[in-house]
Amino acid sequence: NAGVTQTPKFRILKIGQSMTLQCTQDMNHNYMYWYRQDPGMGLKLIYYSVGAGITDKGEVPNGYNVSRSTTEDFPLRLELAAPSQTSVYFCASRPRVGTYEQYFGPGTRLTVT
Amino acid sequence: GENVEQHPSTLSVQEGDSAVIKCTYSDSASNYFPWYKQELGKRPQLIIDIRSNVGEKKDQRIAVTLNKTAKHFSLHITETQPEDSAVYFCAASLNTGGFKTIFGAGTRLFVKA
Repeated sequence: NAGVTQTPKFRILKIGQSMTLQCTQDMNHNYMYWYRQDPGMGLKLIYYSVGAGITDKGEVPNGYNVSRSTTEDFPLRLELAAPSQTSVYFCASRPRVGTYEQYFGPGTRLTVT
Repeated sequence: GENVEQHPSTLSVQEGDSAVIKCTYSDSASNYFPWYKQELGKRPQLIIDIRSNVGEKKDQRIAVTLNKTAKHFSLHITETQPEDSAVYFCAASLNTGGFKTIFGAGTRLFVKA
């Protein structure tokens, strides 16, 4: 199993541009999450999903959108990028039953200038 | 919503000493409390967790205690080693609707050889 994979690893955006951060897991996990981590800070939950077709807002959803058309994929969309969205973005997943542990992807480092 | 506070923000200890990191949470319904270790530039890794029906859990040099009445939980690392140097995050999760997880701001632990 590859686990949770994220692309790209790094990206520089200009203010006002848009992009999609990709997240895929091959563990058949129902629950998936997007977090952002600002320098020297903890993780803030952006959006999460309990299964295909179901998404909900986390602590800091403004400026982002998500979709969950399959169990495997949970892309995060940034529209009209702003410098405040400069951060490291982590995707995570966990199964619906069994372990409560969240499995994190390697992260995407995004800079908006 | 849930709020997690973590102290201290920085902790420096001599190799071989113990380190204690403390967290408080606000939502009494939270019932799962993981601790993550994050090395520089890496993804968070689960090191230990505790569920609300247990007061203490130990795994070799690491232990976690939970006081549900006080809404307080702590991470204890004994016989610290230089490789324990990292940022540690506590978190609290609510076992409803997707298991939203709220993280503390992190503690940067330095273990001096």
